[in-house]
Amino acid sequence: GAVVSQHPSRVICKSGTSVKIECRSLDFQATTMFWYRQFPKQSLMLMATSNEGSKATYEQGVEKDKFLINHASLTLSTLTVTSAHPEDSSFYICSGSGGVETQYFGPGTRLLVL
Amino acid sequence: GQQVMQIPQYQHVQEGEDFTTYCNSSTTLSNIQWYKQRPGGHPVFLIQLVKSGEVKKQKRLTFQFGEAKKNSSLHITATQTTDVGTYFCAGPRQAGTALIFGKGTTLSVSS
Repeated sequence: GAVVSQHPSRVICKSGTSVKIECRSLDFQATTMFWYRQFPKQSLMLMATSNEGSKATYEQGVEKDKFLINHASLTLSTLTVTSAHPEDSSFYICSGSGGVETQYFGPGTRLLVL
Repeated sequence: GQQVMQIPQYQHVQEGEDFTTYCNSSTTLSNIQWYKQRPGGHPVFLIQLVKSGEVKKQKRLTFQFGEAKKNSSLHITATQTTDVGTYFCAGPRQAGTALIFGKGTTLSVSS
């Protein structure tokens, strides 16, 4: 299957700082990338959908000014958590889709905000 | 709104026993996908079912898609400790191209 990488895999930061997470599709062009958040023992919740070269579409309740998404190329999307707070601590997972409906997930980034 | 429900939420079995998780959608789906997430890991794609009544097998795993394309099941025969994890079903959202996930069934296996 297609490979998606995420960096960093784990990050600890102080409250109020910003954290950038990169999501790369390594062997396919991801026309669409999705960002999910997963709290412990819960399911994946879609945060936003990003299409290359256009603005991301955010789910209801997700602050677009807090979670900045950039999808500058067909292989890279970034999520920046601005002014992170402890309640933003979570497992952030991206996935890429090359046009068919199957999504390929990155390994996820565990964010801990102190 | 559109919902995908899974039962049971948790299941514990003895190694060698069978296991089944059920997925029900509030809407008709064009396809249904199954993912497995190991503890501490990320979801890994297992399979996609597209046709009404479709049945697919992967070794000890059997996947079914209901005739009405609103429900699905995953059955594992003779579970092994390597089957431990959370199994999610997911279907296309009515709007856009994202997936909507069920809450998952977490399987634990004791030897």
